[in-house]
Parts: sequence; structure tokens; C-alpha cells
Amino acid sequence: SAVISQKPSRDICQRGTSLTIQCQVDSQVTMMFWYRQQPGQSLTLIATANQGSEATYESGFVIDKFPISRPNLTFSTLTVSNMSPEDSSIYLCSASSGGSSSYNEQFFGPGTRLTVL
Amino acid sequence: KQEVTQIPAALSVPEGENLVLNCSFTDSAIYNLQWFRQDPGKGLTSLLLIQSSQREQTSGRLNASLDKSSGRSTLYIAASQPGDSATYLCAVLYSSASKIIFGSGTRLSIRP
Repeated sequence: SAVISQKPSRDICQRGTSLTIQCQVDSQVTMMFWYRQQPGQSLTLIATANQGSEATYESGFVIDKFPISRPNLTFSTLTVSNMSPEDSSIYLCSASSGGSSSYNEQFFGPGTRLTVL
Repeated sequence: KQEVTQIPAALSVPEGENLVLNCSFTDSAIYNLQWFRQDPGKGLTSLLLIQSSQREQTSGRLNASLDKSSGRSTLYIAASQPGDSATYLCAVLYSSASKIIFGSGTRLSIRP
């Protein structure tokens, strides 16, 4: 299994500012993902973080709003840009490893609870 | 449309009871199905992963079954404890998709 840590664990931010969330995995993984979970809702995939290339975004999410980096096989960042109160959510990093990585167990970090005032 | 449904949305039972959580999916062509637990305000903890070729997986008091033909999975919790109180999420990786699809979860409360 993979152990995933996220920083910060929570933050309160002002409207119009940006926050970068870091995700660190304790082993090399093939796939890393970023999810958003709005209050009382299930998880929504924002994007797949690709190592060495641009992230793959889901419908409704764009790079200008949620830029993602993945410089190596153990680390990724998600930036929430120009924040508004609607961005208040828990942001979760996840990872999956293995050759045919899509077939393998997916692990999640503890989440970052973001509140935008 | 590929969906995952969990019913009921919430469940409350007295301590010690055995219980079953349900998950249904719309397409039998799946790679795997995973059950997670989420405590309030926390991340997800993986409980069990069932590959497409498997019928069930067990871990301690938990048993998950998979019936692809009927599009169903169940999570059986034996001898429930107050510490089992959490939201349980089912997630399916469909063969034609590159991402897992989550159900909306069942919020479980075990009464002492």
C-alpha cells in the first residue's frame, strides 16, 4: 500500500487569492489524481496528474483555475487559483501503482479542508 | 451513462448487529470495485478491492461480494461496533473509463 500525506491539512483563505496544496507519496506510483469533495457530497475527479506532461482535466475543470504539477513519481501539487467561496471544499490527492495501474488499488491522502471567505 | 448508486443514503443500527451495505453499477464491464471508509472531515481509507475476476474479498469483520451480472456489490459488516460509524463509499473502475466512479455513499451510525 501507499501512504500519502498532504499539506496543508486545512486553510482559511481570502477571496481572490491562490493556495497550493502539496501531495507526497511514500513510494513511486504510476498514477496520481486530484479530487474535490464539496460539503455533503461524494468525490469529483478534478484531474489526473501526469508525470512529465500536462495534467488531464475532467469536464468542468480547467488548467487556469486548477494548475497541477507532477515533477516526479512521488510528488504533485494542486493550486486553487483566484479563489471564491464556491471553492470551499475538501481537496484529496490519491495514487495508484502497478504496471497496469488502472487495475490496482487506489489510496487517498487525508485531504486539505479549504474555506474561502 | 456509467453510474454507481448506493442505497440507503443513511443507516442507523444498534451495536452488535450484522449489516449489509449495497452498491449497484450500470455496466457489468468493470476492472474492479473498491470499498472505502471516510470519517467526517477526513480522507478515504481503502477497505477492500475486488478485481473483476473475483467474487468476494474478506478483511476481518468485513466481507465484500461482487456480482457483475446483476451489477451489484455488497459490504457485509459483522458484529458492528460504534467505531464502525462512518460514511462508506463504493467506487467502480469501468473497463471503458480511465477513472473510478464513486457512489454517493452510505452514512452508517452504530448506536451503543
